[in-house]
Amino acid sequence: AQSVTQLDSHVSVSEGTPVLLRCNYSSSYSPSLFWYVQHPNKGLQLLLKYTSAATLVKGINGFEAEFKKSETSFHLTKPSAHMSDAAEYFCVVSRGSARQLTFGSGTQLTVLP
Amino acid sequence: DTGVSQDPRHKITKRGQNVTFRCDPISEHNRLYWYRQTLGQGPEFLTYFQNEAQLEKSRLLSDRFSAERPKGSFSTLEIQRTEQGDSAMYLCASSSRLDLYEQYFGPGTRLTVT
Repeated sequence: AQSVTQLDSHVSVSEGTPVLLRCNYSSSYSPSLFWYVQHPNKGLQLLLKYTSAATLVKGINGFEAEFKKSETSFHLTKPSAHMSDAAEYFCVVSRGSARQLTFGSGTQLTVLP
Repeated sequence: DTGVSQDPRHKITKRGQNVTFRCDPISEHNRLYWYRQTLGQGPEFLTYFQNEAQLEKSRLLSDRFSAERPKGSFSTLEIQRTEQGDSAMYLCASSSRLDLYEQYFGPGTRLTVT
């Protein structure tokens, strides 16, 4: 079975400092992995996706993630946090012919001024 | 087209009542998904349609839940005899045959069962 584990339920950073949100995956074969962001009272938005192409994936708003098979990780990073980055972030794996998504439990990112 | 829409955005109902939610996907998207998100958790898959055919259902979808997509466009999710445990955000997503991996989510319907 395919699953993801988000290692931190809450992360706090200061504005302008780097962001690291950690995600490990479990999969019997090459997974399709995603990061989604959920702002309060807004729908889920896709940040980036990995589908077995380049292992370093660039997404929107300056975010990127690196697929590391040896570490079974897909951590999300951003060089410099902005106040508008404060939100809930979900690491997600796609499975099955229907491509249904299995979400991690989420990481709440707080950006301090 | 402005994206996936859901109606209503909020629903408060009494235990035992039936409720129905509607999802309008992006117009050219042939795949439609329903997910449920409870407080503090990530969304969980409920069911999936390709055009009008319901091809997969999660074990979370008890027999009190039914979903339809009659003409392969909008979809409805009905919950009969609601229970307090049904209180959650119900999310709809759609995807295109051109990019099966990217699902576009609606704003959700928040259900509160009192």
